[in-house]
Amino acid sequence: EVQLVESGGGLVKPGESLRISCTASGFTFTTYTMHWVRQAPGKGLEWVSSLTSGSADIAYADSVMGRFTVTRDNAKNSVFLEMNSLRADDTAVYYCTRGAFPGYSAYAFWGQGTLVSVSS
Amino acid sequence: IQMTQSPASLSGSIGDTVTITCRASQDIATYLAWYQQRPGSIPKLLIYAASTLQSGVPSRFSGSGSGTDFTLTISGLQPEDVATYYCQKYNSGPRTFGGGTKVEIK
Repeated sequence: EVQLVESGGGLVKPGESLRISCTASGFTFTTYTMHWVRQAPGKGLEWVSSLTSGSADIAYADSVMGRFTVTRDNAKNSVFLEMNSLRADDTAVYYCTRGAFPGYSAYAFWGQGTLVSVSS
Repeated sequence: IQMTQSPASLSGSIGDTVTITCRASQDIATYLAWYQQRPGSIPKLLIYAASTLQSGVPSRFSGSGSGTDFTLTISGLQPEDVATYYCQKYNSGPRTFGGGTKVEIK
C-alpha cells in the first residue's frame, strides 16, 4: 500500500525558515517524481514544486521561487521542502503527492498533509 | 499556463447532469486531471488523461476534451458528490490547478 506521511509543520514567524518532510513507503521510491501541493485555509489547491526521481528536473511555482528548495533522499525514501523567508500567505496545509504512474502523471496518492502557519 | 474553471459554483438536484469546464491558456494535449475534494478530506483523483476514469471512481463521472478546452460531467448527481472539483495540467513546468468549482445540492 502506498503511503505518504508528512511531518515538520508548525507555527513560525514571518521571515523564519522551516523544513517539512515526506516519508514514502509501499512503492519503489526511485521510480517516481514527487510533488508538493498546498492549500491555504478555505482556499483552493496550489501546486508548489515537483522533483524528478534523479533530481535532474525541478520546478517551482512562481510564488515560492527563490525561497523554497525541494530535495530528496532516495536512500531514506524521503522528500523535503526547505522553506525560507516565510510569509503570512505561505500559511497552508502542505501535501506530499505522487503520480499514478512514473513520468508525467496525475496525482493518485496524497499524504494527509502538514500544517504550516506563519504569524507574528 | 493558466487553468480557468467555470463556474465557480453550481447547484443541482439529485439526478441532474452537471458540467464543469476547464480552459488552459496553452495547448496541453490531454495532460489534464480532475480531482474531487469533499469537505474536510484530502483531494481524490477522478480522471486523468482528460477522459480516463481512475480505478474505483463511479461511472457517472466522465471527462472530455483536448488541447485547451476540457469538461467534467457528472451524470446523475448524488448527495455524496457535494464537493469542490479541481482541474490540473500535469505535464512539464508548473503543474497548475484551476480555481475550483463548488458543487452543491439544491
